[in-house]
Formats: sequence, C-alpha cells, structure tokens
Amino acid sequence: GENVEQHPSTLSVQEGDSAVIKCTYSDSASNYFPWYKQELGKGPQLIIDIRSNVGEKKDQRIAVTLNKTAKHFSLHITETQPEDSAVYFCAATKYNFNKFYFGSGTKLNVKP
Amino acid sequence: DAEITQSPRHKITETGRQVTLACHQTWNHNNMFWYRQDLGHGLRLIHYSYGVHDTNKGEVSDGYSVSRSNTEDLPLTLESAASSQTSVYFCASSEGRQGLREQYFGPGTRLTVT
Repeated sequence: GENVEQHPSTLSVQEGDSAVIKCTYSDSASNYFPWYKQELGKGPQLIIDIRSNVGEKKDQRIAVTLNKTAKHFSLHITETQPEDSAVYFCAATKYNFNKFYFGSGTKLNVKP
Repeated sequence: DAEITQSPRHKITETGRQVTLACHQTWNHNNMFWYRQDLGHGLRLIHYSYGVHDTNKGEVSDGYSVSRSNTEDLPLTLESAASSQTSVYFCASSEGRQGLREQYFGPGTRLTVT
C-alpha cells in the first residue's frame, strides 16, 4: 500500500514569514494529493489539492508543488498569520481510488 | 445546509464493553470513512464504505466493525473496547463521482477506554 511521510512534525514561524511542509509518497500510481487543515477541536478541512498532471497550484497565500519523479509534494504558506496556526495533513490517493493515505501531520505555530 | 455529524462527542467506557459511535451525513454521499487520530500517527483508516451494504477494512480494522444499511449513516462499533482504542475518531464522506474526491470530516468523537 501507499506510505506517506510528512515533515516536520512541528513548525514555529514568526507572523509574516513563510512556512513549508513537505511530504513524500511511495506509490508512483498515486495521482491526487490534498492538504487538510485541522483547527483545535475540529475535523480536518481541505485547503488545497493538486493532481499529478500539474506541477504547482496556488490559492492566494497557499501553494502546493508536486515533483512526480522524486515522489514528493510540498505546502507553502506565505505571509503567515496567527489564524494559520493549526495542524496540517498531507494525503495521497490514486485516481478512482477514493481511499486516502494521510501523513502524520505538522503542527504549525505562527507567533504574533 | 448539508453536514456530517458525529455522536457522542465525548465517551468514556470500560474495557470489554461494546461501544457504537454514530456518523450521519446529509450530502447523500456514496463514500463514508472512519479514521482514528493518534499523536504521531496522523489519521489512520479503520473502515470505509462505497455504498449501501458495502464495507471494507482499512489499515487498522482489528477490533472494529461497521455496517451500511442506508446512504446517510455509517456507525462504528468497538466489539470489546480496549485501552489501545482510546483515541479521537473522525468520520468522513465524499461524493465518489469521478474527479470529485474531497472528503468532508465530522467534528470527531473523543473516546476514552478505562
């Protein structure tokens, strides 16, 4: 099965700085890579996703990059704000295969 | 508005007891999933269903069971609760149609087995 590794497990940045979270996956057939944000006491919520036919996707301050050859993808948050503080999860899955494999999560702390 | 709910939100039970966690979604989604969340392990898949009467084991299914008698509900049963099953449990659903794969998560159930 798929194995997704996520680093770092915790990340602390100053407000306004950028944050980068990295994930690697093992199954070269995986082709859909979502990122979820989990706020304290809540369920995870999708913030951005990328498919294997695209190398980069942006949505305002958030971007995701994908390197299929190296089998890794990253989440980039620019101009971080205190409300970005949360746990972030990456995941991978195959086309028409709705089961997700999640990384172990990154706790992001944005200091005011 | 359509939503996904879980009940109870908190549960304390004793070792050996049977426990059922409820999950209900009003999106009419075909796919439903149960995960457990433990520190250092992220979200691990317990069971999942792609439709009524369909159930499948995930990576950590031992000691858990599910049944899908309708589209809206996927209850998770712990047959004989163990301390190792103390965790936060999340239910999720997705539409399942080709290209539409976002999973929507419930608020979670914190289960403590004493």
